[in-house]
Amino acid sequence: DAGVIQSPRHEVTEMGQEVTLRCKPISGHNSLFWYRQTMMRGLELLIYFNNNVPIDDSGMPEDRFSAKMPNASFSTLKIQPSEPRDSAVYFCASSLLTSFYEQYFGPGTRLTVT
Amino acid sequence: AQTVTQSQPEMSVQEAETVTLSCTYDTSESNYYLFWYKQPPSRQMILVIRQEAYKQQNATENRFSVNFQKAAKSFSLKISDSQLGDTAMYFCAGSQGNLIFGKGTKLSVKP
Repeated sequence: DAGVIQSPRHEVTEMGQEVTLRCKPISGHNSLFWYRQTMMRGLELLIYFNNNVPIDDSGMPEDRFSAKMPNASFSTLKIQPSEPRDSAVYFCASSLLTSFYEQYFGPGTRLTVT
Repeated sequence: AQTVTQSQPEMSVQEAETVTLSCTYDTSESNYYLFWYKQPPSRQMILVIRQEAYKQQNATENRFSVNFQKAAKSFSLKISDSQLGDTAMYFCAGSQGNLIFGKGTKLSVKP
């Protein structure tokens, strides 16, 4: 079975540019999570969706960040405009609502904003 | 609100020996799951083991086992016969609405 798929794996962009990260959850999973990981702040939950509906976006740092889940098999995290402090590894994870949020993670996207 | 605390930022162990990583949690929920995740240098987050709070029996997965002390709110991970490939960050996590992660313990297995 395919796991959680994220693209791109690496992204280098200049400050001010728009960045879009993509995630395909495990087929059949109905919860999806976006995390950010940095050395300073550790692993932070940005937003999560249940059945494609955003449930908690309190972790989204600023209005520059937005996330969508147009269907059960695809989600995007967009940063516009990007800033150097957005440099981090961004993880997507998915789970079954009935599994007490036992999450399976994608490989992550390493974002570098110069 | 749930909290998850890992009090050991770093640990080391000799290959083939046993090591225990500590985790404490606090929750108001009556039913919940607890998890340990491993993050090796490749940065992939890997689920190691899960414990259902209503089960008294401690979970075991090959060389990995937990010591779940519900009254003490303790959920430690024991790694037996440590291998070099066990070198990684280990995160404890608990479920309440979503997963709450501890800050992690960096484990180094030395040859």
